Amino acid sequence: ETGVTQSPTHLIKTRGQQVTLRCSSQSGHNTVSWYQQALGQGPQFIFQYYREEENGRGNFPPRFSGLQFPNYSSELNVNALELDDSALYLCASSFGVTPAEQYFGPGTRLTVT
Amino acid sequence: RKEVEQDPGPFNVPEGATVAFNCTYSNSASQSFFWYRQDCRKEPKLLMSVYSSGNEDGRFTAQLNRASQYISLLIRDSKLSDSATYLCVVKAAGNKLTFGGGTRVLVKP
Repeated sequence: ETGVTQSPTHLIKTRGQQVTLRCSSQSGHNTVSWYQQALGQGPQFIFQYYREEENGRGNFPPRFSGLQFPNYSSELNVNALELDDSALYLCASSFGVTPAEQYFGPGTRLTVT
Repeated sequence: RKEVEQDPGPFNVPEGATVAFNCTYSNSASQSFFWYRQDCRKEPKLLMSVYSSGNEDGRFTAQLNRASQYISLLIRDSKLSDSATYLCVVKAAGNKLTFGGGTRVLVKP
């Protein structure tokens, strides 16, 4: 096991609602990256947080936002949910500002109806 | 064109056989390369990093061809437990990992 935990494991929301997903990084890691993985596709980079600051962002709209806390845990917030937001959301923990290897949590499966 | 492309498969492999597949990447400035393994409805797990000189880890061999911009993974003596989706991952300068869509491998008795 990687030591990276995510909550909740599953979530069902209605279009237009807001959701918050949580991630606890592996001990000693100070970087958290978030990915969206649609069914049958590879994970897509949403953004990364390093020492509480956003440190890179993929092609996702501003309604995807995040936070990292002093203990390096992190939240992903998605506003105005759309049906296409249904996916597995993965967080990955690593050390350093340009990490070579990342360790994934089990993911949160979000279904938007 | 996608930044990282993989044959989605599936590759149906008899147990004990060898299977190999490639991944192509478009960014010539890419610096680091990895293979991750993902089991059905589970998170990706790092299988191995890919080094310029090629590297081997047990039954798994990874190669990098910078000139043609592809990496490869070869699995020898396939086991039933090797059935999974293999994700090619490329990192350019900075912090973003770019994943391919994955190659599905099914090892059958």
